[in-house]
Amino acid sequence: NAGVTQTPKFQVLKTGQSMTLQCAQDMNHEYMSWYRQDPGMGLRLIHYSVGAGITDQGEVPNGYNVSRSTTEDFPLRLLSAAPSQTSVYFCASQTSGGTGANVLTFGAGSRLTVL
Amino acid sequence: KQEVTQIPAALSVPEGENLVLNCSFTDSAIYNLQWFRQDPGKGLTSLLLIQSSQREQTSGRLNASLDKSSGRSTLYIAASQPGDSATYLCAVRHSLTSGSRLTFGEGTQLTVNP
Repeated sequence: NAGVTQTPKFQVLKTGQSMTLQCAQDMNHEYMSWYRQDPGMGLRLIHYSVGAGITDQGEVPNGYNVSRSTTEDFPLRLLSAAPSQTSVYFCASQTSGGTGANVLTFGAGSRLTVL
Repeated sequence: KQEVTQIPAALSVPEGENLVLNCSFTDSAIYNLQWFRQDPGKGLTSLLLIQSSQREQTSGRLNASLDKSSGRSTLYIAASQPGDSATYLCAVRHSLTSGSRLTFGEGTQLTVNP
């Protein structure tokens, strides 16, 4: 019963480098999202997806790309890392079915430092 | 734009005390509200979810209330224990079609002292 799995847990990048944060869920959830958490700013939505092949921008999408080729996977790509992208990144998923009283399930987070 | 505020930002109490955490939101047109717990260096764990048509939800020593018209929710923790020490976040979902898009408060960091 893995839930939402994020890799890597920690990463250090140099400015300008690119990388992909991986997110996988095994609960057959349609909805998936990426959030970043910064001190004093709470969690902010980066990108989200309502199903395979469908993605959209959240509150802070600049500098990030996503794709959703399968229901299970929702990778987040940093195109050219900047120090402002130093943060803790959380992937979350939720089913679309039922009455709407569906809780959001989070991964353990990926801590990224950009030097 | 929906804004969610949590007061206080930090709270320290002795073990055994009952306490209330506050959450307010600017747009009362919400679908539901969730309370989460976050331990240091960990992800978020859902504690309680209240639908917009509900007034409260209870789970063990936790009770969450919702007053949608005034844009407020409270999380009541009874007989607090050191294991309750964590950051508590509230988040609102705007509509059924919002899916996994939530607006979060900044959280209240709770410390329960033995």
